[in-house]
This record gives sequence, structure tokens and C-alpha cells, in this order.
Amino acid sequence: RKEVEQDPGPFNVPEGATVAFNCTYSNSASQSFFWYRQDCRKEPKLLMSVYSSGNEDGRFTAQLNRASQYISLLIRDSKLSDSATYLCVVNDRNNNDMRFGAGTRLTVKP
Amino acid sequence: NAGVTQTPKFQVLKTGQSMTLQCAQDMNHNSMYWYRQDPGMGLRLIYYSASEGTTDKGEVPNGYNVSRLNKREFSLRLESAAPSQTSVYFCASSEAVTGGFYGYTFGSGTRLTVV
Repeated sequence: RKEVEQDPGPFNVPEGATVAFNCTYSNSASQSFFWYRQDCRKEPKLLMSVYSSGNEDGRFTAQLNRASQYISLLIRDSKLSDSATYLCVVNDRNNNDMRFGAGTRLTVKP
Repeated sequence: NAGVTQTPKFQVLKTGQSMTLQCAQDMNHNSMYWYRQDPGMGLRLIYYSASEGTTDKGEVPNGYNVSRLNKREFSLRLESAAPSQTSVYFCASSEAVTGGFYGYTFGSGTRLTVV
């Protein structure tokens, strides 16, 4: 089982749609959680950190469920510019590094 | 504000050749990392340096060596390139190994092809 698993997609949605991604992680000792965005042939960039209480940044909402060991990302009112691959990232404290999911590809269409 | 700078951006090597990928950050970060990204695999950690003077193996260290030259610079060396090392390589840095509050900042990547 991979340490961090994501549905690879692709998710194809129309502009204005709401879309949700889930990510599961295997290490119950994980401490830090992030969502990154990666555009085609570009480097990953931090989209948002994920806090235990959940957090929102404009159209983006992240949730953490420690009991079930998953995190989620909700995008409301999708824009064409949201088209990218979204990477789930989990801190593996025991190994002093962060582990990346393979990413979920989103395409928002007019 | 350059952030993390990687060189070169592209490289083609013949099997058995050696090369060094350079990385420098200007954010005064303590921790630096080298990842490779292959299709469908996600980013996998090759080596990291939690702080100046220390380096540790990551998930896929075989065939690579690293040097933390100073706080700013962290290089990755391929001593004898193999086709399996064809990949996109990313350098990253962070305040702390846990990612801190702001996670990792990545360089723009090096696309390496070994023929």
C-alpha cells in the first residue's frame, strides 16, 4: 500500500462546478498536511496547509480526518485557471521528510 | 526574490557519464531536499539535508550522492548515469524538515534524459 494515495483522475468539470479530491495516508503518526498544485511541466507550489480544524482560503476548503486518515480538498466555483494536478502531501515525522501522493489531475472546461 | 534556483534546466547524458545538479536557496532555510518525479509515481525523495553539515538518504538514494556545501547550496551528483535515472529532478527547501508552516519551496526542475 502506498503511503499517500490519491485518485489520479482525471476530473473533467465545467466552469462553476464544485469538485472534491480525497487523499488517504497510511502513517497514523503523520503531523503535517498540505495540498500542492502543479501545473504542466512546472514545479509544485503550495496551495494550502491543512489544519486539524479544517481551513478555508477563498474558494478552497481543506479538511483533515485523523480517525480515518484522510484529507480532502474542495474547490467551489471552478475556474479555467484551476486546471492543474493537485498533490496531497503528508509529513512522515519518523523519516524526517514529507511524502507526496501521485496527484489528481483536474481539467476545468468552458 | 529568487527562492530556489536549480541548474541546469535540461540535460542529456550518455549512459555512464557523470554530472552534478546544482541548487541554491536564498530564503535562509535550514532544510534542503532532492526529489525525482516520474509519471504516475509522484515525487520521491532521493536525499535530504536537515541542516547545514548533515545529509541523509531518502526513499530512492541508490546511484546518487549529495553535498551540502553551505546553508544555501545543496548539490546532487550522478556518478554513472543510467537510463533508469531519466526523470525530472526537483530541489526544495523548507524552514524545518517537517515542512514548517509554509511547506516546501521548489526549484523549477531539471529534466534529465539518459540515453
